[in-house]
Amino acid sequence: DTEVTQTPKHLVMGMTNKKSLKCEQHMGHRAMYWYKQKAKKPPELMFVYSYEKLSINESVPSRFSPECPNSSLLNLHLHALQPEDSALYLCASSQVRGLNYNSPLHFGNGTRLTVT
Amino acid sequence: QKEVEQNSGPLSVPEGAIASLNCTYSDRGSQSFFWYRQYSGKSPELIMSIYSNGDKEDGRFTAQLNKASQYVSLLIRDSQPSDSATYLCAAGGGGSQGNLIFGKGTKLSVKP
Repeated sequence: DTEVTQTPKHLVMGMTNKKSLKCEQHMGHRAMYWYKQKAKKPPELMFVYSYEKLSINESVPSRFSPECPNSSLLNLHLHALQPEDSALYLCASSQVRGLNYNSPLHFGNGTRLTVT
Repeated sequence: QKEVEQNSGPLSVPEGAIASLNCTYSDRGSQSFFWYRQYSGKSPELIMSIYSNGDKEDGRFTAQLNKASQYVSLLIRDSQPSDSATYLCAAGGGGSQGNLIFGKGTKLSVKP
């Protein structure tokens, strides 16, 4: 069983809808991530939170809005998405990165998003 | 531009054989290396982490790192059909700019 839980597993939304993806981790990690993955492509980093503060936004369009309410929870609010935003959205957590090393990412099971 | 290169495959091996997956990286500042296994439609699963030159073994898996050659490999001994998946190599340099860079993955097929 994964210790990073994502809900929902599947989501279909129209271009005018507002929806949210949720992620919860119980690993005591203080870094949390959102990745987007298209078919046959590697995961693409979207956002990084470190100690509940947004530390990295990889130039993601504003129709994606992240939120980190506490050290265990991470949300991704979606609004006015486009069909090309359809993808697998992955949440991950890790220990906070050290000066010269990365801690491994632990991924949730993902949310399969379809925008119609 | 930091890059991680992998042969996309597919790499096909018979059951019981050794599968060898290779990865090169461009950033000499990378210090942390990871192998993830991803089944079709599923999320990546961490298989191995390696930080120092040499070999690291965990069950049927051995990761090898050569920082001088900027090369990482994953050996899977006694390959099983259940090992059939895409294997992602990732490298990171730590610090504020050291996000993990993922390769495009190598698809492995283990034939019974």
